[in-house]
Amino acid sequence: AQSVTQLDSHVSVSEGTPVLLRCNYSSSYSPSLFWYVQHPNKGLQLLLKYTSAATLVKGINGFEAEFKKSETSFHLTKPSAHMSDAAEYFCVVEGSSNTGKLIFGQGTTLQVKP
Amino acid sequence: DVKVTQSSRYLVKRTGEKVFLECVQDMDHENMFWYRQDPGLGLRLIYFSYDVKMKEKGDIPEGYSVSREKKERFSLILESASTNQTSMYLCASASPQGIRNTIYFGEGSWLTVV
Repeated sequence: AQSVTQLDSHVSVSEGTPVLLRCNYSSSYSPSLFWYVQHPNKGLQLLLKYTSAATLVKGINGFEAEFKKSETSFHLTKPSAHMSDAAEYFCVVEGSSNTGKLIFGQGTTLQVKP
Repeated sequence: DVKVTQSSRYLVKRTGEKVFLECVQDMDHENMFWYRQDPGLGLRLIYFSYDVKMKEKGDIPEGYSVSREKKERFSLILESASTNQTSMYLCASASPQGIRNTIYFGEGSWLTVV
């Protein structure tokens, strides 16, 4: 069965410093993986997705993530945090092939300090 | 722009009431989903539908039912609301290719059961 674990429930960074949000996954096959962002009182927005093409995936707003099969990880990074990045981030794995069913991590709240 | 619209953003209902949460999508997607979001638990799948009048239970279907009479509309029903169903409910839709395309989320319905 597929599962995903976000290693930090809360991350705090200063504006202009790098962001690292950690995610490990478990899957019985080569999965599709996603990062979604949710700003307060808003729905979820897709940041980026990995679907077995390039292992380094670039997303919107300067975020990127690297798929590492040997480490079963899919960490999200950004070189320089902006105040508008403060939100909740979800690492997500495809629940079963091509149905659209998703399994969500518990979420990581990113705080950006001025 | 794809739109997934949840008509009720904020609801307060009494214990034992029947509650309908409505979701409409405008992209002719076959697959639609209802998730529940709770702090520290991420999103959990309640039900999904892959065609009109077709439905499958997700991970936490107890206390919920769904209706899909038209392709664009997917309703979540709480037959007898209870306080432990106080939560944020998110609707989503996707094409039959599911993950290979993108899943689109509504902005959520905040339900409080008193």
